[in-house]
Amino acid sequence: DADVTQTPRNRITKTGKRIMLECSQTKGHDRMYWYRQDPGLGLRLIYYSFDVKDINKGEISDGYSVSRQAQAKFSLSLESAIPNQTALYFCATSWGLNPGAGELFFGEGSRLTVL
Amino acid sequence: DQQVKQNSPSLSVQEGRISILNCDYTNSMFDYFLWYKKYPAEGPTFLISISSIKDKNEDGRFTVFLNKSAKHLSLHIVPSQPGDSAVYFCAATNDNAGNNRKLIWGLGTSLAVNP
Repeated sequence: DADVTQTPRNRITKTGKRIMLECSQTKGHDRMYWYRQDPGLGLRLIYYSFDVKDINKGEISDGYSVSRQAQAKFSLSLESAIPNQTALYFCATSWGLNPGAGELFFGEGSRLTVL
Repeated sequence: DQQVKQNSPSLSVQEGRISILNCDYTNSMFDYFLWYKKYPAEGPTFLISISSIKDKNEDGRFTVFLNKSAKHLSLHIVPSQPGDSAVYFCAATNDNAGNNRKLIWGLGTSLAVNP
């Protein structure tokens, strides 16, 4: 079983619909992240959370919201999806402030298509 | 402005030869660097890292070299194998930034190792 699990893996939806992507982890990490990947733009950080009570905006948070329901769960919501939110979304986890703790563990990705 | 640059979008190498993937950065505060590998339909996976107190780190067939004065690092894969065909992302962080520490990503280099 994957340590970082994302659901759904693929989703096609229509403009204006609300979408939730879910992420759960069994690694026991404090930190969780949501990234999106677009061709030619690399990985861009949407939101991140250092613990259950901590939520932070990333580079491109507009149009998204998140919820850290538990240490192991971090969900990403698109309240009203638009076509330019079509992308591959990745959840990731990491340890806290240990030296060199930049290593991230990624889920397998959720491909979202907004028509 | 791209703080971490991978100027070669793609690279093709013959099996058994050396693959050299390059990465340049502009922020002198970066002191920890990571390489991730990504196969299609999977999340990125951590490959190797290097701290700025070192100029070389080796793990099996993979070696990362860091030239701080040039703000340049490179990943060497020797010998290259067809299974190494993937997208390679360079990432950098300031390990001393505390809670402000974030990974900054390059756009990736797609490596094809030909049999």
